Amino acid sequence: EIVLTQSPATLSLSPGERATLSCRASQSVSSYLAWYQQKPGQAPRLLIYDASRRATDIPARFSGSGSGTDFTLTISSLDPEDFAVYYCQQRGNWPITFGQGTRLEIK
Amino acid sequence: QVQLVESGGDVVQPGRSLSLSCAASGLSFRDAGMHWVRQAPGKGLEWVAFISSGGSVQYYADYVRGRFTVSRDNSKNTLQLQMDSLRAEDTAFYYCAKDKWVRSLDYWGQGTLVTVSS
Repeated sequence: EIVLTQSPATLSLSPGERATLSCRASQSVSSYLAWYQQKPGQAPRLLIYDASRRATDIPARFSGSGSGTDFTLTISSLDPEDFAVYYCQQRGNWPITFGQGTRLEIK
Repeated sequence: QVQLVESGGDVVQPGRSLSLSCAASGLSFRDAGMHWVRQAPGKGLEWVAFISSGGSVQYYADYVRGRFTVSRDNSKNTLQLQMDSLRAEDTAFYYCAKDKWVRSLDYWGQGTLVTVSS
């Protein structure tokens, strides 16, 4: 099974700042990496698929990059609604696995 | 718009069985692969199972293989998860989600809570 390791576990930033979240895979997943946002009491929402493609209705401030084993989710200028938990997910191989999450909190 | 609504969550004793359902609308269900994902309260996401659009292909996580069975009824736009031999560690919110190109999950339901406790 492919293990995804997200860093940092918690990121404390202020609105308007730039956020950079990392996801590292234990072996190559090609570009089959997705990012999700989850707010308390809500289901996850797909942000990025295939490492860099924004999902429907996702604002342009969200971008993804990387391939192979190292991936990054960047939020260019944080909006108050962006403070949430973010998960990466791979389907380079079965089974599908998720990272443990990065909590983005208001500083 | 796409709507996925899970039902069937309950409190059950260890070793017992439970069946979850997911009703889909706003999409061509017969053309969509589907997943189950779970999340223990306060914890991260765990993928559980996948079923292909026609139902002929299923994949399971190791921790549920042999105990859980995913199925679908394309005539009724419903997805099921039959859970047998439940354990305390199966306690979680269970989400159904639509597959996107067998690479990501683009629509999610709101989840249903399964609690396994004596």
